Amino acid sequence: QSALTQPASVSGSPGQSITISCTGTSNDVGGYNFVSWYQQHPGKAPKLMIYDVSNRPSGVSNRFSGSKSGNTASLTISGLQAEDEADYYCSSYISSDTLYVFGTGTKVTVL
Amino acid sequence: QVQLQQSGPGLVKPSQTLSLTCAISGDSVSSNSANWNWIRQSPSRGLEWLGRTYYRSMWYNDYALSVKSRITINPDTSKNQFSLHLNSVTPEDTAVYYCTRDSWIHSGRSFDPWGQGTLVTVSS
Repeated sequence: QSALTQPASVSGSPGQSITISCTGTSNDVGGYNFVSWYQQHPGKAPKLMIYDVSNRPSGVSNRFSGSKSGNTASLTISGLQAEDEADYYCSSYISSDTLYVFGTGTKVTVL
Repeated sequence: QVQLQQSGPGLVKPSQTLSLTCAISGDSVSSNSANWNWIRQSPSRGLEWLGRTYYRSMWYNDYALSVKSRITINPDTSKNQFSLHLNSVTPEDTAVYYCTRDSWIHSGRSFDPWGQGTLVTVSS
């Protein structure tokens, strides 16, 4: 099972909006509404930001939103803030022996 | 609030067995609505789901194809924890290992919360 494809880096100025894409296939992203997004600061464990494509866990800022079209899922961060600078990973459930696949990761830089 | 606390050695010799434990607070390893997972992260392989254990009237396990022949994940109901055992390790198994929960009633098919992570180095 191949990793989901994400851009290596995305940057934006404070207050701007950015979007991170996560491209898979009909066997993963396109086949299930089970895409999740994680934020990871250096030396820390990943933190869940979005689950099941577009649901936000309690406590996560509403500046984070998720969507999906076909085989590509997206994470949008609006009103970019310095604290949003981190690595972001997508993940999708897949119906095979290996139940979950992750994205390659995107480094978000706040200019 | 669910918390996961990992423990285990940070250095393992090649060909030996990597063993880590994840202690659960705020939930039960025997919960009918939770699955208990191990995930690792390395620069070369990125984030990689390894496997899970869960209880639905009996115990079940699912393992990633890449490690299926070498991995065991066991629950310990007396201590409310679960463990990872990966045998015949090589330097390619060097990674940060995380335990985490997925619970459909809390956050669908996603992982939350996560343990603090354990860097395991495979070296002689």
